[in-house]
Amino acid sequence: GENVEQHPSTLSVQEGDSAVIKCTYSDSASNYFPWYKQELGKGPQLIIDIRSNVGEKKDQRIAVTLNKTAKHFSLHITETQPEDSAVYFCAGRRRNFNKFYFGSGTKLNVKP
Amino acid sequence: NAGVTQTPKFRILKIGQSMTLQCTQDMNHNYMYWYRQDPGMGLKLIYYSVGAGITDKGEVPNGYNVSRSTTEDFPLRLELAAPSQTSVYFCASSYSEGTDTQYFGPGTRLTVL
Repeated sequence: GENVEQHPSTLSVQEGDSAVIKCTYSDSASNYFPWYKQELGKGPQLIIDIRSNVGEKKDQRIAVTLNKTAKHFSLHITETQPEDSAVYFCAGRRRNFNKFYFGSGTKLNVKP
Repeated sequence: NAGVTQTPKFRILKIGQSMTLQCTQDMNHNYMYWYRQDPGMGLKLIYYSVGAGITDKGEVPNGYNVSRSTTEDFPLRLELAAPSQTSVYFCASSYSEGTDTQYFGPGTRLTVL
């Protein structure tokens, strides 16, 4: 099955700086890669996703890039704010399969 | 819409006890999932369902059972609780394979002593 690895496990940045979280995947047939944000005591919430037919997607301060050749994708958060502090998970899913494989999570701390 | 709801929020079980974790969604989603999240780890898929009457195993199904008698409900059953099942359990749903967004419930924190 798919194996998704995520780095770093913790990330601390100053408010206003950028944060980058990276994930690699093993299954070249994977074609959908969502990113989730999990706040303390809550379930994960989708913040952005990307499909294998595009290389980059942006939504305001958040962007995701995908390199299919290298089999890795990254989450970029610009102008970080304290409310961005949370645990972020990447995931991968293979075409025509119903199973998502999650990375181990990155705890982002944005210091005011 | 309430989205995905889970009950209970917290539960402590003794080894060997049984319980059912409840999950309900009111979005008319076909697909439903059960995940467990261990400390410092990502989510592992336990079971999933693509519609009423259809269920299938995920990565870590041992020790669990599910049923899907209605579109709305997808309960997860633990028959003989073990300490290894101490975890946070999340239920999720999505409309179909073509609509990939998964909506998660708030989770159930289970401790087995």
